[in-house]
Amino acid sequence: DIQMTQSPSSLSASVGDGVTITCRASQNILNFLNWYQQKPGKAPNLLIYGASNLQSGVPSRFSGSGSGTEFTLTISSLQPDDFATYYCQQSYSLWTFGQGTKVEIK
Amino acid sequence: QVQLVESGGGLVKPGGSLRLSCAASGFAFSNYYMSWIRQAPGKGLEWISYIRKNGSAIYYADSVKGRFTISRDNAKNSLYLQMNSLRGEDTAVYYCAREGLSGSYSYWGQGTLVTVSS
Repeated sequence: DIQMTQSPSSLSASVGDGVTITCRASQNILNFLNWYQQKPGKAPNLLIYGASNLQSGVPSRFSGSGSGTEFTLTISSLQPDDFATYYCQQSYSLWTFGQGTKVEIK
Repeated sequence: QVQLVESGGGLVKPGGSLRLSCAASGFAFSNYYMSWIRQAPGKGLEWISYIRKNGSAIYYADSVKGRFTISRDNAKNSLYLQMNSLRGEDTAVYYCAREGLSGSYSYWGQGTLVTVSS
């Protein structure tokens, strides 16, 4: 089974800050890596697919990069609506999610 | 617009059974693979089952294999999850989700809560 490890598990940031979340896979998953945002009591929302492709309707301040085993999600300038939990997910072999990164207001 | 609406959740005793449904609308259901994904209270997301467009391929997570059965009725635009031998650790919100590009899930239902407790 492919394990996904996100870091950090949580972070505090201010509106306007740039934020980077890292996701590491236990084996090479090429670019089969997706990112989701989840707010309390809501279903996850797809942000990035295929490591670097922005899902339709997602603001351009979100970007993804990486391939192989190391990936990053970057939010260029945090907005109030961005405080949420973020999950990476591999889709190379079945599906596995990372444990999540909670982005909180500093 | 795409809509996925889960139903069938509730309180069940350990060892009991429950059948979840997911009603799809706003897209050609038979053209998409579907999955069930769950989230225990305060925990992360766990993929648990997948079914191909015509049901020709089905996969399960080890945590539910042999106890849960996924199925679909393309004529009714519906996805199902039959859950047997339920345990406390199956307590979670269960989401149905539709495939997107690159193996992602681009549409999710609102979720249905399953609580396994005596």
